[in-house]
Amino acid sequence: GEDVEQSLFLSVREGDSSVINCTYTDSSSTYLYWYKQEPGAGLQLLTYIFSNMDMKQDQRLTVLLNKKDKHLSLRIADTQTGDSAIYFCAEIPFSGGYNKLIFGAGTRLAVHP
Amino acid sequence: EPEVTQTPSHQVTQMGQEVILRCVPISNHLYFYWYRQILGQKVEFLVSFYNNEISEKSEIFDDQFSVERPDGSNFTLKIRSTKLEDSAMYFCASGGGQGEVQPQHFGDGTRLSIL
Repeated sequence: GEDVEQSLFLSVREGDSSVINCTYTDSSSTYLYWYKQEPGAGLQLLTYIFSNMDMKQDQRLTVLLNKKDKHLSLRIADTQTGDSAIYFCAEIPFSGGYNKLIFGAGTRLAVHP
Repeated sequence: EPEVTQTPSHQVTQMGQEVILRCVPISNHLYFYWYRQILGQKVEFLVSFYNNEISEKSEIFDDQFSVERPDGSNFTLKIRSTKLEDSAMYFCASGGGQGEVQPQHFGDGTRLSIL
């Protein structure tokens, strides 16, 4: 079946790096995504990676994909208080056809001074 | 930057009433979606829509739900007879331009409260 798991909570000090982890079950997943949700707001697309890539870097964000272990991570360098939010990992399983997203439960990132 | 817009931001409705949630997707996108997030739970897929018809729907999307693209810009979700358990945040998303896969972009959501 299709399932995405994330740890629920992460606390980091401002200026440190944050690493948010995600595991998924569908080995045929085509795309994997990271979305950010601030309080009361919608889902903001942060970055995504195609399944034939191992890594993608976009400014402070680094996505690592380990297909063998079905593990995805999001690293945020120099974490700021504005990065405090819920981060959702999501996959598009190959069986999804029309790009149905399967979401994890979200990781709440708390950044403290 | 183009964005998906949803109205209203908050809808309060009596149980048993019909409700219509509205969305304006990004203009050159071809695929449209509705998701919902019950408080404290995961974001769940409801339905996808392409080429003026439903392309996929989840078990949640029963006969009480319908979607429509009444004109070239709006995409609506109708719940015919609302239940208490329909209370959730409903997100519209769009994606998929001509000839290439694009990620889904989400609106800010409509919070639906059923009394």
